[in-house]
Amino acid sequence: EAQVTQNPRYLITVTGKKLTVTCSQNMNHEYMSWYRQDPGLGLRQIYYSMNVEVTDKGDVPEGYKVSRKEKRNFPLILESPSPNQTSLYFCASSTPLAGGTFSYNEQFFGPGTRLTVL
Amino acid sequence: AQSVTQLDSHVSVSEGTPVLLRCNYSSSYSPSLFWYVQHPNKGLQLLLKYTSAATLVKGINGFEAEFKKSETSFHLTKPSAHMSDAAEYFCVVSDWTNQGGKLIFGQGTELSVKP
Repeated sequence: EAQVTQNPRYLITVTGKKLTVTCSQNMNHEYMSWYRQDPGLGLRQIYYSMNVEVTDKGDVPEGYKVSRKEKRNFPLILESPSPNQTSLYFCASSTPLAGGTFSYNEQFFGPGTRLTVL
Repeated sequence: AQSVTQLDSHVSVSEGTPVLLRCNYSSSYSPSLFWYVQHPNKGLQLLLKYTSAATLVKGINGFEAEFKKSETSFHLTKPSAHMSDAAEYFCVVSDWTNQGGKLIFGQGTELSVKP
């Protein structure tokens, strides 16, 4: 089954304790992205990756790191989590349409990771 | 810059009555537009997408949306609401350059369906 998986699904941690949220897709997609969802703000992009070893900042990258060593995996790293990073996190992936454009193609989302930082 | 505005944060309808969720967009070029649905404690699922091939777009579960360039709108409709339609709906515009891009989400509209 084609899917995006995230782990863990739920995490409660304390300020300053490094954590990693994993994301994996089995669709051989080039593009992967992380979003955070906060009430009243919709989803906002944290980081994205156009392909292996190619990553770039989204709208809210502060306090986060990512890596893309393999095509299928795109982990989100919080080196020193703070309470304002308490949120619902989604990983997404996509592939370009024929002709190389991503613009019209949908993104497939993982089930989400609910993170609480105390 | 691309942006979307969902005009209602919450919509309540009775089962069997029509659904209208409103979305306006701002785009400097021909946009790619999507509607996603999020059921409680679930991920996001694509309902439909506008790809410039046709202005009336049909999606899953009986939903459809009409792209109106003159009004910069992409409202989501369904003729008859079902209890299972209760969820949060996001209007989304795609924002891409040669270097990469993202989806820009509206704030969301929560749809309640009363028996």
